[in-house]
Amino acid sequence: GESVGLHLPTLSVQEGDNSIINCAYSNSASDYFIWYKQESGKGPQFIIDIRSNMDKRQGQRVTVLLNKTVKHLSLQIAATQPGDSAVYFCAERVSGTASKLTFGTGTRLQVTL
Amino acid sequence: EAGVAQSPRYKIIEKRQSVAFWCNPISGHATLYWYQQILGQGPKLLIQFQNNGVVDDSQLPKDRFSAERLKGVDSTLKIQPAKLEDSAVYLCASSSDRGSGNTIYFGEGSWLTVV
Repeated sequence: GESVGLHLPTLSVQEGDNSIINCAYSNSASDYFIWYKQESGKGPQFIIDIRSNMDKRQGQRVTVLLNKTVKHLSLQIAATQPGDSAVYFCAERVSGTASKLTFGTGTRLQVTL
Repeated sequence: EAGVAQSPRYKIIEKRQSVAFWCNPISGHATLYWYQQILGQGPKLLIQFQNNGVVDDSQLPKDRFSAERLKGVDSTLKIQPAKLEDSAVYLCASSSDRGSGNTIYFGEGSWLTVV
């Protein structure tokens, strides 16, 4: 079946450096992708999304890149801060599935001082 | 604007007992979702409502799980009887329409431990 997976389960980054979290997806029919941040004991929080007709989208300190050729999605966080420490999930939606999201297993981002 | 509200936040029950979780979505959101998140994994959709109708319940274990959204606003998810493997966080989420690109907002979750 469809799957969304992450390359690295844990990423350790120094405060102030840029972070890159990667995600691979397997379903070429996916047309919408979202990154969520989940802090300990809390629900997933929306960060940024991107549609399949785009290859880049920028937010505040975050950028999502989509490479449909290799089915790869990445989240870049600029000037990483301690408050960015969390688990990050990518999620995909297959076209025509009425917003059903499939989540990956997550990457834990640890920000060191 | 108030977020998605869930209760209880934490629940510990013995196996074979029953439990119910309640969710109040963001005001005006027609679509409501229940997700199950097992520790160390991403959330998995259990059921999706559009107003008070079920859109997708293909991954809901219907022999023990049930959910309803009678008036198209609040929703209740019930597990009876519970099994050890039901220990997880149950996340409620909502979006403003059938979700064709609209953001899905999550609540803080209801943490269930079955012993």
